[in-house]
Amino acid sequence: ETGVTQTPRHLVMGMTNKKSLKCEQHLGHNAMYWYKQSAKKPLELMFVYSLEERVENNSVPSRFSPECPNSSHLFLHLHTLQPEDSALYLCASSSIRGDRSQETQYFGPGTRL
Amino acid sequence: GENVEQHPSTLSVQEGDSAVIKCTYSDSASNYFPWYKQELGKRPQLIIDIRSNVGEKKDQRIAVTLNKTAKHFSLHITETQPEDSAVYFCAANSNSGYALNFGKGTSLLVTP
Repeated sequence: ETGVTQTPRHLVMGMTNKKSLKCEQHLGHNAMYWYKQSAKKPLELMFVYSLEERVENNSVPSRFSPECPNSSHLFLHLHTLQPEDSALYLCASSSIRGDRSQETQYFGPGTRL
Repeated sequence: GENVEQHPSTLSVQEGDSAVIKCTYSDSASNYFPWYKQELGKRPQLIIDIRSNVGEKKDQRIAVTLNKTAKHFSLHITETQPEDSAVYFCAANSNSGYALNFGKGTSLLVTP
């Protein structure tokens, strides 16, 4: 349960605020992910980082800005959010093998925004 | 991303009965198919997964079957218990290998 941690667990922000979500993994993984979970789209992939390099970006609005300073940390910077951005934001990590085959993704507890 | 369709969206069974959840995928390059369980207010957790080189995998009361030709895979839970009540998500890896495409989830309710 403590392999992937996220802070804060809850966040209330106005549409003009700037805030950041933090994710940390203690599993030695080399890939990290941000997902948005809402009633409309239960698990929607936002960003993927492999070896600190962004490898996928699923057409996410620019008001969401990810940052991956090292393989253990992932941030999601938020600004000028809209009401429809209210959701649970889940971080996950996994190991990606050299042949790009996928190993299990482990999720953090999420930040309720 | 590639589509993963999941059915049914809700499922109610009596304790002791079996539950089956079905998923289809569209990307023929997909070769990894995990299933996650998410209890209310908790994170999704892997319960079982299968790779395309096998057709079936079992872990106690949980089994997953894969039909690559038809591009569908299913989760089978036998002897269901109230603690099996949760939302279950299927997923398939994308052709890039990095991402998982998730189904919309099945809300399973097991009544005593």
